[in-house]
This record gives sequence, C-alpha cells and structure tokens, in this order.
Amino acid sequence: ETGVTQSPTHLIKTRGQQVTLRCSSQSGHNTVSWYQQALGQGPQFIFQYYREEENGRGNFPPRFSGLQFPNYSSELNVNALELDDSALYLCASKLAGGRRGEQYFGPGTRLTVT
Amino acid sequence: DQQVKQNSPSLSVQEGRISILNCDYTNSMFDYFLWYKKYPAEGPTFLISISSIKDKNEDGRFTVFLNKSAKHLSLHIVPSQPGDSAVYFCAASAYTGGGNKLTFGTGTQLKVEL
Repeated sequence: ETGVTQSPTHLIKTRGQQVTLRCSSQSGHNTVSWYQQALGQGPQFIFQYYREEENGRGNFPPRFSGLQFPNYSSELNVNALELDDSALYLCASKLAGGRRGEQYFGPGTRLTVT
Repeated sequence: DQQVKQNSPSLSVQEGRISILNCDYTNSMFDYFLWYKKYPAEGPTFLISISSIKDKNEDGRFTVFLNKSAKHLSLHIVPSQPGDSAVYFCAASAYTGGGNKLTFGTGTQLKVEL
C-alpha cells in the first residue's frame, strides 16, 4: 500500500473524446509524475509537476496536459483521444527530500480507446 | 529508441536459488539506476537503487551491480522466494534539474517455483 490512489480504475472512451484521470498522493509528496504503460512495455514518462508547475516533459504531444493541486492531488487530461492512447496510466509521487528516483506509484487507470 | 533494455522477458528460478536479472542502457548521461517490482493490479514499488559512482549496492537479499564501462547492471536475488515472483523493471535517471524523470526498461517476469 503506497498511499497513492487513482481513479477511475478502468475507462472506455471513443476516439476524439477527452478524458481526465485523477491521482491522490500523500502529504509531503510535492512532486507528481505521470507515466503511460502500453501493453508489454515499461512505463513511459509523460510529464512531472513540482509545486503545481510542470517542470519536465517526455515525448508526448500538447494534447496531454496536467494539473497539480495544493492538496496533493493531480490530474492528467488527454484531448482528441487516439486509438494508440489505450494504455495503463500510472501516477507516481515523490516525497520531498526523499531518495532520488524513489517514487510511489498508484495502481493505475486502464484506458481503452475504441 | 529504447535507452534501457531488458532483453529477457521472463525468467524461471527454483526457490532458494539465485535469480539474476539483467539490464543494459545506452545513454551515457544516466547516473542513477533503480529496480522496481510490480505485482499484478498494483503499481511498481521501489526495490533498490545505485549511483553511478558505485559498482555495488546491497540490501538484504537484493544486490545490484553496475558495470559502467559495459553500460550494464544486474539485480541478484539470493535466496529467491515464491513471493519474489513479479515483473521487475530496471529504470535509469539523468540529473537534469527536473530530477525525477525515470526511463524504464520493458520488464522481466520472474517466476520462482517451489
């Protein structure tokens, strides 16, 4: 139990629609990252937020966006969904002053785009 | 471009024996390496890490070895236990100031048999 929760667990959307995924982490975890894990692949970094500002981004287009809130919750928004967006989306938080690279992952949201 | 590679998708080991999981990387900027373990329906959990200034780090039954010249690291589990059966991800980090971006391999499914 990492204390990081994600909602919803599963989601089915249609191509072209928009989706919002949510994550709630623990007190003191001031950094949150989002990852996309396609079937048979490792998690791929989407972006990271620190103190409510984006401070790192992977190779994902601008239709992937996020928000981080003062209450240690965050959102991942994806616009204009494509079939290839079908994946497990993981959120991971990092404790302020914690060991480098040690992130606490939620169980993920399984997104299916049809 | 797969910067972190785990070439063995699966590994089967008998209980009590040693499990050796391997990982190769290509990016010379990586200076910190981690192993994460993932059970079904759960997010990855941090297992052990190593800085590039070291060649070995040990934590109980788990030891990570780093060979910088070969750009290779390995995770040794001794003795292996049935509860170790999981997917193991190798991950790497390059310090960029944004600090926490992890690049993951595709994972190795370890099965420890009785």
